Amino acid sequence: DQQVKQNSPSLSVQEGRISILNCDYTNSMFDYFLWYKKYPAEGPTFLISISSIKDKNEDGRFTVFLNKSAKHLSLHIVPSQPGDSAVYFCAARGGGSNYKLTFGKGTLLTVNP
Amino acid sequence: EAQVTQNPRYLITVTGKKLTVTCSQNMNHEYMSWYRQDPGLGLRQIYYSMNVEVTDKGDVPEGYKVSRKEKRNFPLILESPSPNQTSLYFCASSRMNTEAFFGQGTRLTVV
Repeated sequence: DQQVKQNSPSLSVQEGRISILNCDYTNSMFDYFLWYKKYPAEGPTFLISISSIKDKNEDGRFTVFLNKSAKHLSLHIVPSQPGDSAVYFCAARGGGSNYKLTFGKGTLLTVNP
Repeated sequence: EAQVTQNPRYLITVTGKKLTVTCSQNMNHEYMSWYRQDPGLGLRQIYYSMNVEVTDKGDVPEGYKVSRKEKRNFPLILESPSPNQTSLYFCASSRMNTEAFFGQGTRLTVV
């Protein structure tokens, strides 16, 4: 049973436009959500996170939105740059003493010059 | 520089030959874990450790062992590797309630 779903395996956008990556989850015990970015031949690197008590978190060009009632979060990148081309993983952490991260399958973002 | 270091980066081995992938972190993190990444499956947790001498199974522990004798090190042991363990492996560390830092990965091929 996949608890974190990224239904779009890939996304292609033009440089300068907005990239929107989506993620859905099923476990209502998740209380912390993260986005990671991964380049080929490198480990995932942390991008941005959001606690379940918030609905928005912004860091420069990156904004994460959380809709708890819909169990949905999204990552907005504005403006998109060619260097943003990578695989993006959505991850969620269980509540309480469970610090395990559950990952989605990832979305390959390609930003075209 | 804060980092998680895995070795080796690449490994080709034969079925049944025991191997160890090392992982070390220099951030004094309590929580460490191992993941494997396979095409179309994302990252799946193999084992995790909440502190020295405290380890537990993740989602796909079969065929793997771990140990946590020191806070900084968390080796992954494959006692008898099989071809279905061919994968890309990542070690990660974090404080208990913060983002995880990942190593650069170990690409393992079992023939």
